[in-house]
Amino acid sequence: DGGITQSPKYLFRKEGQNVTLSCEQNLNHDAMYWYRQDPGQGLRLIYYSQIVNDFQKGDIAEGYSVSREKKESFPLTVTSAQKNPTAFYLCASSIDPTGAWNTEAFFGQGTRLTVV
Amino acid sequence: SQQGEEDPQALSIQEGENATMNCSYKTSINNLQWYRQNSGRGLVHLILIRSNEREKHSGRLRVTLDTSKKSSSLLITASRAADTASYFCATDAMNSGAGSYQLTFGKGTKLSVIP
Repeated sequence: DGGITQSPKYLFRKEGQNVTLSCEQNLNHDAMYWYRQDPGQGLRLIYYSQIVNDFQKGDIAEGYSVSREKKESFPLTVTSAQKNPTAFYLCASSIDPTGAWNTEAFFGQGTRLTVV
Repeated sequence: SQQGEEDPQALSIQEGENATMNCSYKTSINNLQWYRQNSGRGLVHLILIRSNEREKHSGRLRVTLDTSKKSSSLLITASRAADTASYFCATDAMNSGAGSYQLTFGKGTKLSVIP
């Protein structure tokens, strides 16, 4: 089945630790995105990548880092510099990296990160 | 930055009734999309309407777009308990710095359909 897989579903982080959230897609999409969702809020863009080995900051990139070494993988690292990391993280992909003709996004099932 | 804003924030209806959700946005768009999110899950794409379209249907869904008022509405007819979810509008706008269109999501409308 084609789709986006996020892992783990739940993640607990101690203060001062870095953690990495996994996102893998087999849709052959060029563009991939990371969003953060807080309770009762919409999605805010953290980072996005239009092509392998390239990525751009979104609206709330501080305290996060990403890599795009392979087309199908776009891991997100939440660093200790992110002061309020507890949130629901969603990864998405889309077929058109420029979005000029199609910006439809396909989402994973999310990772809920909690700081303990 | 949040471009789309849904209204109402929450909506509770009886099964069989119609549900209408509205979305307003601020800047010119290329497309507007509606997504659905079940609690604790990812978003699922429902429908996309282009800026040169005024109305679009998909099954029990009807979407309208008024670019002069910068607003859209999502109508779900003959609602079912399984329609209970949060619904988000997403607009795309050109990010000139990146040279690409990017989606911006609203805060969503939480729909509860009571059996």
